[in-house]
Amino acid sequence: KNEVEQSPQNLTAQEGEFITINCSYSVGISALHWLQQHPGGGIVSLFMLSSGKKKHGRLIATINIQEKHSSLHITASHPRDSAVYICAAGSQGNLIFGKGTKLSVKP
Amino acid sequence: KAGVTQTPRYLIKTRGQQVTLSCSPISGHRSVSWYQQTPGQGLQFLFEYFSETQRNKGNFPGRFSGRQFSNSRSEMNVSTLELGDSALYLCASGSGGPAYEQYFGPGTRLTVT
Repeated sequence: KNEVEQSPQNLTAQEGEFITINCSYSVGISALHWLQQHPGGGIVSLFMLSSGKKKHGRLIATINIQEKHSSLHITASHPRDSAVYICAAGSQGNLIFGKGTKLSVKP
Repeated sequence: KAGVTQTPRYLIKTRGQQVTLSCSPISGHRSVSWYQQTPGQGLQFLFEYFSETQRNKGNFPGRFSGRQFSNSRSEMNVSTLELGDSALYLCASGSGGPAYEQYFGPGTRLTVT
């Protein structure tokens, strides 16, 4: 069993749909990170969470420390949201990564 | 502020050779972490440097090494290259606290033939 599990692996949505990506982890953590990777490789940090909920624009991330579970929500999805979303758990730079969720949003 | 830079961006090497990759962090960041990304294994942690000291190390063989200089720039070295070392190598910088946001560089794509 992987220490950081993401679901689903692939997700296709229509523009405007509400999207949820889930991440479960079994390791002790200082923080849970949500990352976005576009084709070509560049990785952008979306959120770093150690408790509760954070919101940036149409993106919302939540974490339940007791259940060792985090979710990334995208409201009113748009084709430009198409990317791979990766969760990572750990301490400092010592992170364990999920396999990623490939999101495709169709116009 | 300028972002994290990595050089070179692309590299082709032959089995048995060695390679050095460079990472310049965002000004003021004291921590640099290195990650390997392959299609099969995904992203994996290599090591983290903070104030010129290796603070954490992933599960990679000793052929993978690194260092950090007083200006926080970091290098990683891979000796005796194997075909399986072909990957995208990413570095990320941050403030270096117990939990900190990672700012990623564009990566170096290494191909070993």
